[in-house]
Amino acid sequence: NAGVMQNPRHLVRRRGQEARLRCSPMKGHSHVYWYRQLPEEGLKFMVYLQKENIIDESGMPKERFSAEFPKEGPSILRIQQVVRGDSAAYFCASSVAADGNTIYFGEGSWLTVV
Amino acid sequence: AQSVTQLGSHVSVSEGALVLLRCNYSSSVPPYLFWYVQYPNQGLQLLLKYTSAATLVKGINGFEAEFKKSETSFHLTKPSAHMSDAAEYFCAVRGNTGNQFYFGTGTSLTVIP
Repeated sequence: NAGVMQNPRHLVRRRGQEARLRCSPMKGHSHVYWYRQLPEEGLKFMVYLQKENIIDESGMPKERFSAEFPKEGPSILRIQQVVRGDSAAYFCASSVAADGNTIYFGEGSWLTVV
Repeated sequence: AQSVTQLGSHVSVSEGALVLLRCNYSSSVPPYLFWYVQYPNQGLQLLLKYTSAATLVKGINGFEAEFKKSETSFHLTKPSAHMSDAAEYFCAVRGNTGNQFYFGTGTSLTVIP
């Protein structure tokens, strides 16, 4: 499967724990995006990264949330000290730098905070 | 700044009837516009995109959309609805900085047998 791979698909965390969501972009893609989808709402942009660089994090909450896309390995969205309001579907997407006008989505990671 | 507005959060059509999902955009530059479909508990799948070529864009599964600059619209249509078309549909516009994409709030399509 050459698509965008996200894991885990489902994650349950207790309040105060940390959640780590991983995203491997499509082969050949060097741009990664994270979106959050809350129940009954559309997708909200969180962060846009290239390898080893955060390009745009204007949608990231100021506290507890961080993202990285290292030179090797997947992109990681990290949520520290999770709260119930963090329960949502988190989608990763990727694009090719030369074809940045289309982004391709992964299957999503559903985070439930109990 | 770019944004999209999807009119109608829920649309119901009978099987075989015309599907029309509305999207209006706001953009200070010539836009790139997209329609994505999301089936339950899945990610978003690209249906079609407009990138300043032909104004009538054909996508997968028989869907098409027409870019109308005068109306700032990019409505999605399909002549005959199938049961398998029941899903959530999102319109999106690509921003002119940072490669950011802006999504509408989605339209849930129900197909009635």
